[in-house]
Amino acid sequence: DTAVSQTPKYLVTQMGNDKSIKCEQNLGHDTMYWYKQDSKKFLKIMFSYNNKELIINETVPNRFSPKSPDKAHLNLHINSLELGDSAVYFCASSQAGIYLYGYTFGSGTRLTVV
Amino acid sequence: AQKITQTQPGMFVQEKEAVTLDCTYDTSDPSYGLFWYKQPSSGEMIFLIYQGSYDQQNATEGRYSLNFQKARKSANLVISASQLGDSAMYFCAPAGAGSYQLTFGKGTKLSVIP
Repeated sequence: DTAVSQTPKYLVTQMGNDKSIKCEQNLGHDTMYWYKQDSKKFLKIMFSYNNKELIINETVPNRFSPKSPDKAHLNLHINSLELGDSAVYFCASSQAGIYLYGYTFGSGTRLTVV
Repeated sequence: AQKITQTQPGMFVQEKEAVTLDCTYDTSDPSYGLFWYKQPSSGEMIFLIYQGSYDQQNATEGRYSLNFQKARKSANLVISASQLGDSAMYFCAPAGAGSYQLTFGKGTKLSVIP
């Protein structure tokens, strides 16, 4: 009955590979997000979808592509992985009125590129 | 872009003592919310406490409370009777009524000493 679930939890892969991280929420929230947390613990937003529509698209390499097949799912696909992509990636969801409700986070995916 | 300042990169506190973690923010929205999240070494992001800009009272949740000073745009987190399990990163995140996202401060790493 996990509210926001991300898979996989750990991902170790070689440079140049393509990988995907999946996220699903069962809270009925309309908006989902991807954040990247670097080695200094800084959390930076990457993308946000509201009801399957992209509403936030921060400056990230176009090797990163989000996909939202429905409002309960938001996946992140990364092409041609680089060493600098190593980080923890968090999925989150929120209901309307984020300033009232905040986020529910997934448990994070630790990506290590070797 | 919203500016959030957490001035203490790292703090130490003796077990059972109280500790205050600072957060100041810059928003032009008259209505906003202020969230604090905890990230233990296991990595998950845990919601701790919320303060609305129009709330008359400072928010409290168990051992957590906010020292909210609206005119100074500060919302410091107070943890009373610190426990070893409070050792973690703590993030402050404001969101204006017009926001589509939470923007996080750089965090404070709290270490509780036995």
